[in-house]
Amino acid sequence: AQTVTQSQPEMSVQEAETVTLSCTYDTSESDYYLFWYKQPPSRQMILVIRQEAYKQQNATENRFSVNFQKAAKSFSLKISDSQLGDAAMYFCGYSNSGYALNFGKGTSLLVTP
Amino acid sequence: GAVVSQHPSWVICKSGTSVKIECRSLDFQATTMFWYRQFPKQSLMLMATSNEGSKATYEQGVEKDKFLINHASLTLSTLTVTSAHPEDSSFYICSAIYPLAGFYEQYFGPGTRLTVT
Repeated sequence: AQTVTQSQPEMSVQEAETVTLSCTYDTSESDYYLFWYKQPPSRQMILVIRQEAYKQQNATENRFSVNFQKAAKSFSLKISDSQLGDAAMYFCGYSNSGYALNFGKGTSLLVTP
Repeated sequence: GAVVSQHPSWVICKSGTSVKIECRSLDFQATTMFWYRQFPKQSLMLMATSNEGSKATYEQGVEKDKFLINHASLTLSTLTVTSAHPEDSSFYICSAIYPLAGFYEQYFGPGTRLTVT
């Protein structure tokens, strides 16, 4: 079974600064997908970024980028120019296409003015 | 983009009664939907995979006779919590997969908060 580990229960960042959230996973598959989801207090899951394992290039979405290290099974999320609206729970997720997501335990991100 | 809705958003029921939660894909057909459960300050845990026209596949430890899932159409899956007890109080989230250029994107509903008194 695939497992996803987020070792940082809480992180804090000042507005406009950069923060990196860590995620490691375990799988024997060679083709899979990795995700970062944001869950604000409304609890609606919002996709932040997706990475296909077969792609070597790290995914980027505006202020959000990932550092995907396939051999190390590491998938960290970097948030640049942090904004107050970035405060939320962030979940790292793993799936094979068409299958359910395995999530890590989450990291609570606090953004301070 | 694809939209998934859930109804109700919040339900309170008495212990021993049953409650039904609906998950709808509003602008696409979803052959597969997933049901997750999230306890306070915890992550989402997969309960079951719901396939249109066939029986749901339940994760280990999830009682299929207690959590009845019906995926009767390509746009609707329902989760019925039978004989609910206070320990069933939780946040239930559904998702539906949508094919996108060779990849199945997963869209989440807004969730349903169940409180059993």
